[in-house]
Amino acid sequence: DQQVKQNSPSLSVQEGRISILNCDYTNSMFDYFLWYKKYPAEGPTFLISISSIKDKNEDGRFTVFLNKSAKHLSLHIVPSQPGDSAVYFCAASSYNDYKLSFGAGTTVTVRA
Amino acid sequence: NAGVTQTPKFQVLKTGQSMTLQCAQDMNHNSMYWYRQDPGMGLRLIYYSASEGTTDKGEVPNGYNVSRLNKREFSLRLESAAPSQTSVYFCASSRDRGPDEKLFFGSGTQLSVL
Repeated sequence: DQQVKQNSPSLSVQEGRISILNCDYTNSMFDYFLWYKKYPAEGPTFLISISSIKDKNEDGRFTVFLNKSAKHLSLHIVPSQPGDSAVYFCAASSYNDYKLSFGAGTTVTVRA
Repeated sequence: NAGVTQTPKFQVLKTGQSMTLQCAQDMNHNSMYWYRQDPGMGLRLIYYSASEGTTDKGEVPNGYNVSRLNKREFSLRLESAAPSQTSVYFCASSRDRGPDEKLFFGSGTQLSVL
């Protein structure tokens, strides 16, 4: 059973607008969350992360928000650029067992 | 700066054939991993090696074996390939094993088992 769920398989957004990617998790033991970005024919690359002691982490155009009570996190990309078109994976782990669980991914397409 | 290098990039096997996927990293990382990616499933951990000389099972280890040849290299072997092993395989490494460690991935091996 998947412990990390990305319920939107795809997202299309106009260049310059905000992209919001959502991720839900079921395991209350998760205390570290990461986002990876993947281009076709390449491996995933680390994008941004957040610890459970925070509710927001920002890195340039990318911001991750964590709502622990709702077991929900989101990734905001502002403004979206054509180079952001990729598959985004949400992942979660715990300091308990270090195992990283990935969501199924959301494909983002940024339209010019 | 190669990072994580996987070979081959593509492979087609017949059911029952064996093969080894090779992976090497040049970042002096202690931990290495093998994942498979299937549509709608995300990335699932097959095996990992927390440090040189150790290997452990991940979520989906059945049908696979691994060897941590040295600190740089971590291979994945399919002894008798099955159609259910058709997937994209990614090798990854990290400085150490921990929930906040960033993984560095290779570019993947697309495997088809007929």
